[in-house]
Amino acid sequence: DTGVSQNPRHKITKRGQNVTFRCDPISEHNRLYWYRQTLGQGPEFLTYFQNEAQLEKSRLLSDRFSAERPKGSFSTLEIQRTEQGDSAMYLCASSLPSDDKAFSGNTIYFGEGSWLTVV
Amino acid sequence: RKEVEQDPGPFNVPEGATVAFNCTYSNSASQSFFWYRQDCRKEPKLLMSVYSSGNEDGRFTAQLNRASQYISLLIRDSKLSDSATYLCVVNKGFSGGYNKLIFGAGTRLAVHP
Repeated sequence: DTGVSQNPRHKITKRGQNVTFRCDPISEHNRLYWYRQTLGQGPEFLTYFQNEAQLEKSRLLSDRFSAERPKGSFSTLEIQRTEQGDSAMYLCASSLPSDDKAFSGNTIYFGEGSWLTVV
Repeated sequence: RKEVEQDPGPFNVPEGATVAFNCTYSNSASQSFFWYRQDCRKEPKLLMSVYSSGNEDGRFTAQLNRASQYISLLIRDSKLSDSATYLCVVNKGFSGGYNKLIFGAGTRLAVHP
């Protein structure tokens, strides 16, 4: 499968524990995005990487959240001291820079998401 | 105020019905517009792009009114398989070196026999 891969797909954790999600983008894609989707809402932008550089972080990303993309390939999203409000689907997406100015929507590829339940 | 606003529904319609969804966006600098479809507990998938001239893809027609900052989606001859959540999506544009998609909360459609 050459699509965007996310792991784990499902995670149940106790409040206060740390969790980490991994995203493997399509191999030649240097742009990588994280979104969060809670029940009844659309996906909300969290952060963006261009290669290994994190170029934008949403205000939704509190101090407990950290995202990295150390070698410009896979990315991790860590949530420390999880709270029940963190329960959501975390979506990763990637795209090519050559598609930027001709962006047509079908050049950003979403992974299947990682579901987090905090109990 | 949310950047992209949609009626959450649900819209419950019989098979064969025509249903229309509307969406408004607040940023007049937005550059491109889309409708995505999302099935329960799945990732969103592009349904179609939206152009000022209007565009049609089979039973689906999308329309953009830039002056009113309004986007619509019309589904004709609804099928059971059309049951899903429809997300209105705005691209804030190629600023900062990348495209940033802003999603509405989605409109739920349930098509019944």
